[in-house]
Amino acid sequence: EIVMTQSPATLSVSPGERATLSCRASQSVSSNLAWYQQKPGQAPRLLIYDASTRATGIPARFSGSGSGTEFTLTISSLQSEDFAVYYCQQYINWPRTFGQGTKVEIK
Amino acid sequence: QVQLQQRGAGLLKPSETLSLTCAVYGGSFSNYYWTWIRQPPGKGLEWIAEITHSGGTNYNPSLKSRVTISVDTSKNQFSLKLRSVTAADTAVYYCARGWGYHYESSGWYFGYWGQGSLVTVSS
Repeated sequence: EIVMTQSPATLSVSPGERATLSCRASQSVSSNLAWYQQKPGQAPRLLIYDASTRATGIPARFSGSGSGTEFTLTISSLQSEDFAVYYCQQYINWPRTFGQGTKVEIK
Repeated sequence: QVQLQQRGAGLLKPSETLSLTCAVYGGSFSNYYWTWIRQPPGKGLEWIAEITHSGGTNYNPSLKSRVTISVDTSKNQFSLKLRSVTAADTAVYYCARGWGYHYESSGWYFGYWGQGSLVTVSS
């Protein structure tokens, strides 16, 4: 099983600032990595797939980068609606696995 | 517009069987992975199992001995059974669909989700 490790667990950011979230895989997943956003009481929402491609309707302030074992999700200028928990997921192998999440909170 | 609507029992006793169904509205039922994912309270996401319209399955090895996923193409729905539940199985259970076709990598991440069902296991 591929273990996905996200850091930090919590990120405190002021609105308008940049947020950088990390995801590390225990073995190479190539570019088979997705990012999701989850708000309280809601299902996750797909943000990024193939490590760097924004899903339909996702604002350009969200960007993904990386390949192999190291990945980054960047939110260029945090808006109030961006405060949430973010998960990465690998889909190169079964079982599909998720990171434990990074909570982005208001500073 | 693809919609996934979940139903099933929310409160179980230890050793009982969890049973959930996800009905799919809109879009094709063929050529996708139909998936169950769970999330314990305050914790992260765990992929449970997936099935295609033709019945092809993949299971998480950590749960495989207790899980059955099935599909009913006549009703455009799929189901999850988890046997011998314990308190550790308390979670919000989500059904989900791959973004693209199951035979392409776009089918292996999740673009459509159900509303979630809280299942509590307590004596």
